[in-house]
Amino acid sequence: KQEVTQIPAALSVPEGENLVLNCSFTDSAIYNLQWFRQDPGKGLTSLLLIQSSQREQTSGRLNASLDKSSGRSTLYIAASQPGDSATYLCAVQSGGSNYKLTFGKGTLLTVNP
Amino acid sequence: DADVTQTPRNRITKTGKRIMLECSQTKGHDRMYWYRQDPGLGLQLIYYSFDVKDINKGEISDGYSVSRQAQAKFSLSLESAIPNQTALYFCATSLGGSRADTQYFGPGTRLTVL
Repeated sequence: KQEVTQIPAALSVPEGENLVLNCSFTDSAIYNLQWFRQDPGKGLTSLLLIQSSQREQTSGRLNASLDKSSGRSTLYIAASQPGDSATYLCAVQSGGSNYKLTFGKGTLLTVNP
Repeated sequence: DADVTQTPRNRITKTGKRIMLECSQTKGHDRMYWYRQDPGLGLQLIYYSFDVKDINKGEISDGYSVSRQAQAKFSLSLESAIPNQTALYFCATSLGGSRADTQYFGPGTRLTVL
């Protein structure tokens, strides 16, 4: 059974800092790994999707990497802003069932002005 | 307008009542999903549908049923609500058919069962 773990559970940083969120998964047979952002009272917003054959994806100040063999992914946020404050969720789409997303519990990020 | 909408956004009900949560999408996607999220836990899949005639149970389908009325509409029902079904419920859609199948989520329905 696929399990996804996110560390840390919560993170508070001053504005302008670069930061890294971590995600690990137990079964390396994945189709892809996705990072989502969740704001209070709103749904999840897809940030980045890395296919199993890829090593990283970038979107603006966000960079996500994938090391499938070790079961790890990182989300790097450059020059953090208060508007980045949200919960960040990692999810893997496992091979063999091309619909199922297994989610981690998330990292609650607070960026202080 | 939002691509994936859910109604109601908030609902308080009593134990034993029948509740229906509705989801509509304008993305033209075939695949639709229902998840629940509990505090401190990851999202768990309740039901999913790959097209109007295809409905499947997810991880935690007991106590729930679904109806896919059209490509754009997917409803979740709680036949007899119980307090441990208090949670945040999300509907999602995806195009399917590739290894880069991003899911798009609705804003969620906060359900409280007293």
